[in-house]
Amino acid sequence: EAQVTQNPRYLITVTGKKLTVTCSQNMNHEYMSWYRQDPGLGLRQIYYSMNVEVTDKGDVPEGYKVSRKEKRNFPLILESPSPNQTSLYFCASSLTGDWSPLHFGNGTRLTVT
Amino acid sequence: GDSVTQMEGPVTLSEEAFLTINCTYTATGYPSLFWYVQYPGEGLQLLLKATKADDKGSNKGFEATYRKETTSFHLEKGSVQVSDSAVYFCALTTGGGNKLTFGTGTQLKVEL
Repeated sequence: EAQVTQNPRYLITVTGKKLTVTCSQNMNHEYMSWYRQDPGLGLRQIYYSMNVEVTDKGDVPEGYKVSRKEKRNFPLILESPSPNQTSLYFCASSLTGDWSPLHFGNGTRLTVT
Repeated sequence: GDSVTQMEGPVTLSEEAFLTINCTYTATGYPSLFWYVQYPGEGLQLLLKATKADDKGSNKGFEATYRKETTSFHLEKGSVQVSDSAVYFCALTTGGGNKLTFGTGTQLKVEL
C-alpha cells in the first residue's frame, strides 16, 4: 500500500531534550516536506526537500533540522525542543516538486513541557 | 505573499443539506487551487483541484470552480452525509518547490 509513515504518533517530552520524528514513504517520491498544524493558523511549511541531499527552508524553520540521505526518508530533528514547538506535525511527499498532489502521513502530536 | 482565507467554522448541517464552504485567495502569478480533507486522527487527503481559471474540480460529490475574477474557490456539495464530517482546507500553490499555502481550515459536522 502506498503510504507516508510517521513515527511516533504521540510524543511527550521536556524542554531541551533532543528528539527525532521519522518519516518514510514507499512511493519513490522525489519531493518531501514537513508541516506543522496549529489551531487558527492552518498548516505551515517547516522544511522541504526536492531530492536526496537537497533541502530548503519553508516558512517556519527556526528550531528544526532535517536531512535527506535517502530518497524514502526525511526525518525532522528538534535539537532543543521548546514549549512553542508543541504542535501537530505532518510529513508529506509528492512525485515531483511542482504541482503534483501531496500525500500526507497521519501526523505526530508533540507536547513539550 | 500568498494567502488563503476560509470561512470560519464549525459548520453544522443536517444530513442531506447543501454545503458551501467559502475560500478566497491572494497570490502572485497563476496559482493552482486545492481542497484537502482531514478526517479525525488522520492526515490530509486531496479532495479536488483546479489548475486554471474556470476549471471545475470534482470528487465524491464535491465541486469547486476556479474563479479568477473573484479570486475564489468555494467548495460545494448538494447533499452532505454524516461521513463527510471532517476539517476542510483550501490551499494554493504557485509552483516552485510545491509549497502549499493553506487556509486555517473549516470544521464540518453533519448530524442525522
